[in-house]
Amino acid sequence: KAGVTQTPRYLIKTRGQQVTLSCSPISGHRSVSWYQQTPGQGLQFLFEYFSETQRNKGNFPGRFSGRQFSNSRSEMNVSTLELGDSALYLCASSRDFREAFFGQGTRLTVV
Amino acid sequence: AQSVAQPEDQVNVAEGNPLTVKCTYSVSGNPYLFWYVQYPNRGLQFLLKYITGDNLVKGSYGFEAEFNKSQTSFHLKKPSALVSDSALYFCAVRDISSGNTPLVFGKGTRLSVIA
Repeated sequence: KAGVTQTPRYLIKTRGQQVTLSCSPISGHRSVSWYQQTPGQGLQFLFEYFSETQRNKGNFPGRFSGRQFSNSRSEMNVSTLELGDSALYLCASSRDFREAFFGQGTRLTVV
Repeated sequence: AQSVAQPEDQVNVAEGNPLTVKCTYSVSGNPYLFWYVQYPNRGLQFLLKYITGDNLVKGSYGFEAEFNKSQTSFHLKKPSALVSDSALYFCAVRDISSGNTPLVFGKGTRLSVIA
């Protein structure tokens, strides 16, 4: 059974640009969550989607947005990138809001 | 709102000795509790969970955790540490009594097992 797949694995962007990250959940999982991981702040919750609806949203500026498609795949978008957005972005999928299974993450570097 | 505290940034233990990584939580209702492990440049791997039932939960790689409701703790333990257990460990909680709540993580504890 395939795990959670995140693409791309690594990304380098320039300040002011925008970026879209993709997450394909485990087959049969309808919930997808996104987290930002930085050395100083740990794992910060971004969004949670279930059946194409945003179920929860973390405390991030409006430059961070996401969506979920009918096949449960999810994307997150960050507009007007800032240096502080450099982080590991992790996606997790869940069948029933119990354990969540994580992808390998996308390492975003903003220069 | 729910929260998780991992009071130790770093835990050092000698190979073969027992290890404990501490976690306390705060929820207004009933918790689902989880432990995850992260190796360098990797995502998080699920270790174990407490949903309901026995307070002692057994998980992957010989790890176990004890749910203590009165102390609101969920410490991770292993009887005999291996060098390969060296990694970053995260405790997480979801408050299942408060409607739609996300999975919230502690800041992580770096475990170093010394040969």
